[in-house]
Amino acid sequence: GQSLEQPSEVTAVEGAIVQINCTYQTSGFYGLSWYQQHDGGAPTFLSYNALDGLEETGRFSSFLSRSDSYGYLLLQELQMKDSASYFCAVLSGTYKYIFGTGTRLKVLA
Amino acid sequence: EAQVTQNPRYLITVTGKKLTVTCSQNMNHEYMSWYRQDPGLGLRQIYYSMNVEVTDKGDVPEGYKVSRKEKRNFPLILESPSPNQTSLYFCASISSGTGGLSKNIQYFGAGTRLSVL
Repeated sequence: GQSLEQPSEVTAVEGAIVQINCTYQTSGFYGLSWYQQHDGGAPTFLSYNALDGLEETGRFSSFLSRSDSYGYLLLQELQMKDSASYFCAVLSGTYKYIFGTGTRLKVLA
Repeated sequence: EAQVTQNPRYLITVTGKKLTVTCSQNMNHEYMSWYRQDPGLGLRQIYYSMNVEVTDKGDVPEGYKVSRKEKRNFPLILESPSPNQTSLYFCASISSGTGGLSKNIQYFGAGTRLSVL
């Protein structure tokens, strides 16, 4: 079957750096996306990696290794507002997406 | 302002009573998609559409129908809802790309919380 695995919960303090890992097993692969979802809200796009390597967008970075079927989201200088759920998602076919079950990030003061 | 609009936001219905959740986008995107979100299961794709009159099944299409008669609208239809379709539903509009190297960004609506009694 097709699956994405990510930790269910991560806790860190304000100002710290946190890494959320995602390993995937899918029949096809075009790219790995990351989405943020606050409680009661809609998912919002953070990043997309189609090629191996690191993509940086402000405090957030995302990494992909296609040979290892692995990626991660790196959040730096954590802020309280970063407390949310983070989902990795594989584009496994033409606009066919598979999402992970999400990682709940708690940022402590 | 770029928007994906879903209606209604909340809906309580009874088993077997047909319902439609509407979705509209103003970004002129060709691609749209429907998801359901359940605790512990993440988002699961129900159906997606590549253009007007072109739709395809996602991972959990059973019990759902869609139509794409206009580019901006992509309604989700539950012809005979059952309690296991109680869920949070999201519509998404996807920025067009020409392949795997394009940055594919999904813009989600605010969600529709459906309860089927």
